[in-house]
Amino acid sequence: LAKTTQPISMDSYEGQEVNITCSHNNIATNDYITWYQQFPSQGPRFIIQGYKTKVTNEVASLFIPADRKSSTLSLPRVSLSDTAVYYCLVVLTGANNLFFGTGTRLTVIP
Amino acid sequence: GAVVSQHPSRVICKSGTSVKIECRSLDFQATTMFWYRQFPKQSLMLMATSNEGSKATYEQGVEKDKFLINHASLTLSTLTVTSAHPEDSSFYICSARDLIGGKYGYTFGSGTRLTVV
Repeated sequence: LAKTTQPISMDSYEGQEVNITCSHNNIATNDYITWYQQFPSQGPRFIIQGYKTKVTNEVASLFIPADRKSSTLSLPRVSLSDTAVYYCLVVLTGANNLFFGTGTRLTVIP
Repeated sequence: GAVVSQHPSRVICKSGTSVKIECRSLDFQATTMFWYRQFPKQSLMLMATSNEGSKATYEQGVEKDKFLINHASLTLSTLTVTSAHPEDSSFYICSARDLIGGKYGYTFGSGTRLTVV
């Protein structure tokens, strides 16, 4: 399984764009990248998933460079409600389970 | 989208008793469900994989006789913490895997806060 490394914590002011970068140097050809968000005392919630280049949905964007050894989750104009832990996972296509890394604790400041 | 319901959301039990946690996939069938445990300020740790109609697969270090898993139907998996002790107090989260557009997706329940007193 490809190990992921991401910052333990980040602070941001409301209204700013937040970029969280995740390293996954050992990503394999068939792996894809998934990000989850977790609020306190809740289960993780799917945010976005991608294989290469850029993916955008109504919540976030995911940037993946050509070598796929890293990825960046971009949250536009964060609000206080975006304070949460964000997990980057590398998932093998058809994998049977998910293994979570440390995650990044994002704190949005008024 | 896929919804996973987990019950109860929080439970307090006395040391030595057993507690059952239910995980249901509401709008899809899940042949495979997963159970995680999360201690405060820590990440999710996979405990076991629950397979419908067969025995669960436990991760290394997880006692299968203490954490009983039953996956008797395509929409329900249960985790029973037997003879609970204070060190079993934790946040337990289930997840179900579904196939959407040829890709596997993982949907999580809302978690169960277990406190053993």
